[in-house]
Amino acid sequence: GIQVEQSPPDLILQEGANSTLRCNFSDSVNNLQWFHQNPWGQLINLFYIPSGTKQNGRLSATTVATERYSLLYISSSQTTDSGVYFCAVPGYNAGNMLTFGGGTRLMVKP
Amino acid sequence: NAGVTQTPKFQVLKTGQSMTLQCAQDMNHEYMSWYRQDPGMGLRLIHYSVGAGITDQGEVPNGYNVSRSTTEDFPLRLLSAAPSQTSVYFCASSYLGKGGGGYTFGSGTRLTVV
Repeated sequence: GIQVEQSPPDLILQEGANSTLRCNFSDSVNNLQWFHQNPWGQLINLFYIPSGTKQNGRLSATTVATERYSLLYISSSQTTDSGVYFCAVPGYNAGNMLTFGGGTRLMVKP
Repeated sequence: NAGVTQTPKFQVLKTGQSMTLQCAQDMNHEYMSWYRQDPGMGLRLIHYSVGAGITDQGEVPNGYNVSRSTTEDFPLRLLSAAPSQTSVYFCASSYLGKGGGGYTFGSGTRLTVV
C-alpha cells in the first residue's frame, strides 16, 4: 500500500520556539490531512490540505503534491501543542480511507 | 451535537472471549471506519463502511467483524479475543468519501486482553 513517513519521530521544544514537521508519501494523492493527538489520546483534525497552504492561528500547513510531501509549521509553540502529530492520505482501498504515518511526538517544555 | 460516541472507554477481556465495541455518530456521515493504535505507532485501518449495508476490509481485518445496518451505528465485534488485539480502538466518520475532509474521531476504547 501507500507509504507515509513522518519526520522527525520525536521533537522537544522550549516554549516559544518554532518547528517544522514533515510528511512524505509514496504515491500521488488527492488529499492529505493533519491530525493532533493530545496527551489524553483525543484525535483532532487540524487541516485538510490536498495542495497549497492553509493557516489556522499559529499553525499552518503546506502540501506540494507533485513532490509528494507536506509540511506542518508550528510557530510560537505552547505547552498545549504537546502530543503526537499525524499526517494521513487515502490508502489503496475502495473507500479511500486514510492511511496514517507513524507520527511526530512533540513535547513543548515551559 | 455529540459527534462520534464510542463505548466502552475501557475493557479487559480474557483470551477467547468475544465482545462488541460500539460506535455511533449523529452527523449523518456516510463513511465510517475503525482503526487500531498500538503503542508508539500510527493508526491502522481495520474495517470501513461507505454507507448502510456496505462494509469492507482494511489493512488489519483478521479477528474482527463489522456490520452497518443504519447510517448512525458501526459496531466492531471481536470474535475470539487474543492478546495481540490489546490496543486502543478508534472509530471515525467523515462526510466526504475518497478520504476527504471532515474526519471526526471518537474518544477511543482502550482494550486489554489477558
